[in-house]
Amino acid sequence: GAGVSQSPSNKVTEKGKDVELRCDPISGHTALYWYRQRLGQGLEFLIYFQGNSAPDKSGLPSDRFSAERTGESVSTLTIQRTQQEDSAVYLCASSPGGGRPDTQYFGPGTRLTVL
Amino acid sequence: AQSVTQLGSHVSVSEGALVLLRCNYSSSVPPYLFWYVQYPNQGLQLLLKYTTGATLVKGINGFEAEFKKSETSFHLTKPSAHMSDAAEYFCAVRLNTGGFKTIFGAGTRLFVKA
Repeated sequence: GAGVSQSPSNKVTEKGKDVELRCDPISGHTALYWYRQRLGQGLEFLIYFQGNSAPDKSGLPSDRFSAERTGESVSTLTIQRTQQEDSAVYLCASSPGGGRPDTQYFGPGTRLTVL
Repeated sequence: AQSVTQLGSHVSVSEGALVLLRCNYSSSVPPYLFWYVQYPNQGLQLLLKYTTGATLVKGINGFEAEFKKSETSFHLTKPSAHMSDAAEYFCAVRLNTGGFKTIFGAGTRLFVKA
């Protein structure tokens, strides 16, 4: 079926505004991850969801960042009161889950620019 | 705490030469190890992974990596570079304790000269 999709592909916002980024994982994948990739840097883990378990939020950089996931489907990453340092590509990935060392399938990312 | 170090943010090789991208990890328990590749203007995709068993792992496009526990390394190699190998490569580690948190290295950009 279809791969991981993310929307919007690009988002330009003004400092102080809130933004919502959306991720549609591959159908049937129980695990979902959010990462941040700043220009010229590696991936920075933000949060992951596994089924109905409590999410691992240990990578969220501040309380301005939050994420939700409805069951085993769509996830939204919300950044409140955006700052210029939030500018980055936000990547979502999903995997079958179930405790196996499975492959993460990445979406194309959302490029966020905070002016 | 686990961490991943990729030595060299940029590596340049000539077409046909050996590719060697270095990755070292720190982990208190045996990890699962991954290499992902990001081609220009494309999303990340899995190149290969080590879970258990044979320590030499073969991936797509002629790449392979060897898990060396004594050296806490998982270096990526390819005998002969091709122009199409130019991309950014990320090493990643995940603990095999049932969790899913994956830590990525900073990435190594591979340039291939004609």
